[in-house]
Amino acid sequence: SQQGEEDPQALSIQEGENATMNCSYKTSINNLQWYRQNSGRGLVHLILIRSNEREKHSGRLRVTLDTSKKSSSLLITASRAADTASYFCALGSYNTDKLIFGTGTRLQVFP
Amino acid sequence: DSGVTQTPKHLITATGQRVTLRCSPRSGDLSVYWYQQSLDQGLQFLIHYYNGEERAKGNILERFSAQQFPDLHSELNLSSLELGDSALYFCASSAGGGPPGDTQYFGPGTRLTVL
Repeated sequence: SQQGEEDPQALSIQEGENATMNCSYKTSINNLQWYRQNSGRGLVHLILIRSNEREKHSGRLRVTLDTSKKSSSLLITASRAADTASYFCALGSYNTDKLIFGTGTRLQVFP
Repeated sequence: DSGVTQTPKHLITATGQRVTLRCSPRSGDLSVYWYQQSLDQGLQFLIHYYNGEERAKGNILERFSAQQFPDLHSELNLSSLELGDSALYFCASSAGGGPPGDTQYFGPGTRLTVL
């Protein structure tokens, strides 16, 4: 399957802790994006990292990409209850004509 | 607010019926995408239109069809509905011609329930 596989499927942490979620894939990619989805709502784009980049930051988000291992990780530092959501990686490649979404990680942050 | 609007928010209908979902992209965006999200299948890409023309097709059933109009809004038509079609249907838009570089902006979704 071309789909990204995310790990863990679900994660529960306390406010203030860091949350790390991983995305592994099998195809070659040109970029990888991360999206957040609050329950039953539309997805919101968080960050895009290109295949020639290894790390990218945006606020409390840090994304890494290891193309040799075909994996990416999303780190949310100092998490807040408002970070409670599902997080999806999405694979972008010139070899396909569509964005391929991963299976998602459900993050629950307890106050 | 992403700037993408979808109507209706909720739709409840019976098996065998036909429904139309509507999407208005962000101002200036030329691409519209349709996705289906269900608990067992995850987020599935259905179809992509760019400036009125079909650009890419995903796992779209033959009972489903879509189009993008000259004003760039799009409609997704679902016919001969089955129980398994119950899902959240999302529309997204982007400024350019599509993946891999485009950021997609998602609408709030239409929740379809088929009874």
